[in-house]
Amino acid sequence: AQKVTQAQTEISVVEKEDVTLDCVYETRDTTYYLFWYKQPPSGELVFLIRRNSFDEQNEISGRYSWNFQKSTSSFNFTITASQVVDSAVYFCALSEAPQGGKLIFGQGTELSVKP
Amino acid sequence: SAVISQKPSRDICQRGTSLTIQCQVDSQVTMMFWYRQQPGQSLTLIATANQGSEATYESGFVIDKFPISRPNLTFSTLTVSNMSPEDSSIYLCSADPLVLKTQYFGPGTRLLVL
Repeated sequence: AQKVTQAQTEISVVEKEDVTLDCVYETRDTTYYLFWYKQPPSGELVFLIRRNSFDEQNEISGRYSWNFQKSTSSFNFTITASQVVDSAVYFCALSEAPQGGKLIFGQGTELSVKP
Repeated sequence: SAVISQKPSRDICQRGTSLTIQCQVDSQVTMMFWYRQQPGQSLTLIATANQGSEATYESGFVIDKFPISRPNLTFSTLTVSNMSPEDSSIYLCSADPLVLKTQYFGPGTRLLVL
C-alpha cells in the first residue's frame, strides 16, 4: 500500500534559520511521482515541486531545495534563510502514475517562522 | 499554472440540509478530483470525476452522501448531502490541466455545519 509519512507535526524557527521538512514514502511501484504543496493560512494549496521516480537529481529554486533519495525512500524539503511568509502547512504527496493522478498526502508539517 | 475556481468559498449550513460546491477549470481536463480536509487534518480523496462516466469513489465515501456531476470538460459539482457537524471541512477540487501529472487545486470551500 502507498503511504506518505511526515513525522514532524510542527516546527518553529526564527527568521533566517534554515529548516528541513522530512518526508518518507512507501510504494511498490517503480514509477511514481512525489510532490510538495504549501498551504498558507488562507487555505489554498500551492504546488511547489514534482519529482518523478526516475529523476534523483536534487533541485534548487531560490531559497527552496529538495533532496530525493530512493535508497531511503525520502523526499526532504529545505528552506534556507526562512522568512515569516514561509509560515504555512507543508504537505508531501505521492502519486502512482499508472493510476492517473490520485494523490496520497502525508499528514503535513506546520512551519512557524517567527520574526 | 492553471486557474481553478470554486464556489462558494465558505458556507454555514444547518444539519440535514445539502450544499452543492462548484468547481471551474480554465481549460479542458479529463479528470477532476474532489478532496476533503477535516479540521487540522490532511487531505483525503473523495472521488475522481471523469466527463461522460460515473465518478469513482474512494473507500469510505458513497455516492448517496457525495453525489458528483461532471457535465463537461471544465466543470464539476460536489454535493454534500444530509449534512451533519462531522461534515465540517474544507472541500477542494483539483485537476491536471497541463497534463503534467501535476494536480492544481482550487481555493477550497470552507463548510461549517451547525
